[in-house]
Amino acid sequence: NAGVTQTPKFRILKIGQSMTLQCTQDMNHNYMYWYRQDPGMGLKLIYYSVGAGITDKGEVPNGYNVSRSTTEDFPLRLELAAPSQTSVYFCASSTPRQVGELFFGEGSRLTVL
Amino acid sequence: LAKTTQPISMDSYEGQEVNITCSHNNIATNDYITWYQQFPSQGPRFIIQGYKTKVTNEVASLFIPADRKSSTLSLPRVSLSDTAVYYCLVGGEDSSYKLIFGSGTRLLVRP
Repeated sequence: NAGVTQTPKFRILKIGQSMTLQCTQDMNHNYMYWYRQDPGMGLKLIYYSVGAGITDKGEVPNGYNVSRSTTEDFPLRLELAAPSQTSVYFCASSTPRQVGELFFGEGSRLTVL
Repeated sequence: LAKTTQPISMDSYEGQEVNITCSHNNIATNDYITWYQQFPSQGPRFIIQGYKTKVTNEVASLFIPADRKSSTLSLPRVSLSDTAVYYCLVGGEDSSYKLIFGSGTRLLVRP
């Protein structure tokens, strides 16, 4: 099992550009999450999903969109990138039996210039 | 949603036992308490999870009092490699699985 896979690992965007961060998991987990972590700070929840077709906002959803068409994939879309979105983005997944035991991807480091 | 409060930082020395406490006064009935460790440039790593009383695994113990309004992560005999940020996470069905991390505790282990 690969676990949680995020792509790309690094990306530089110009202000106003859009992009999608990909996240896929092969553990058949129902729950998936997107967090962002600014330098020296904690993790902030952007969006989460408890199953295919179901998504919900976290603490900092503005400027982002998500979709969950399959159990495996949970892409995060940035529209009109801004310097404030420069951060490391982590995708995570878990199961109903072990709520809170999150399996994290390696992160995607995004810089907006 | 249960809000968590942890000390911002702690210092320790190699070989000592370290106890990090997390306050979660409004924890819901079905919420679990989970602790994570994070090194720079890495994603958080699961350490231990519990619901009540005491849980122990090969790396840590988790103590939860009867009222569940706080929890204590205990790291026995820390080493330099335990220098990291430790997060307490509280959540479950009652919070609609909306898992929000607190600010974390930065642990520095000195030689």
